[in-house]
Amino acid sequence: DIQMTQSPSSLSASVGDRVTITCRASQGIYNHLAWFQQKPGEAPRSLIYHASILLSGVPSNFSGSGSGTDFTLTISGLQPEDSASYYCQQYETYPYTFGQGTKLEIK
Amino acid sequence: QVQLVQSGAEVKKPGASVKVSCKASGYTFTSYGINWVRQAPGQGLEWMGRINVYNGKTNYAQKLQGRVTITTDTSTSTAYLELRSLRSDDTAVYYCARDLARCSGGSCYVGYWGQGSLVTVSS
Repeated sequence: DIQMTQSPSSLSASVGDRVTITCRASQGIYNHLAWFQQKPGEAPRSLIYHASILLSGVPSNFSGSGSGTDFTLTISGLQPEDSASYYCQQYETYPYTFGQGTKLEIK
Repeated sequence: QVQLVQSGAEVKKPGASVKVSCKASGYTFTSYGINWVRQAPGQGLEWMGRINVYNGKTNYAQKLQGRVTITTDTSTSTAYLELRSLRSDDTAVYYCARDLARCSGGSCYVGYWGQGSLVTVSS
């Protein structure tokens, strides 16, 4: 199975800050990477696919980049509603595997 | 609009089976794959499997092979997840999730999620 490693596991930032979450795959996955946001008690929300393409309705302060094994999710101009857990997932090869998650707290 | 509505919470004893449903609406059911993902309390997301609704082909996480079956009923636009020989560590919220785009081969990404179904396994 492809292992997905996210870092950091948690972070705290202030409104207006820019944060970056990284995701590393144990082998190359081209750009077959998705990002999800999950707030407590809610279902996950799909944010990005193909490493950098935002789903409709996702605010433009979210961006993704990377290919091969190294990927990043960047959130610019943090808002209080961005407080959530974020997960990456590879869909290059079955089983589709998730990173362990990053919990983002807004100070 | 695309909607995935899942069945309600279940409490099961160890060794029993559970079948969770996911009723789809707002699109042509056979045109998009359905994934199942679970989340144990306080833990991360775990991909369980996917079904190509058009041809019924399934892929499962190896750790669940032999205990899990994903099926669909195209007459009611409903997908099902059955998990057998339940253990306490199967206690989790189970989500169905639809492919965002039509995807007949591999490399299929998710775009829509159900609300989740809590399954509790306890004696």
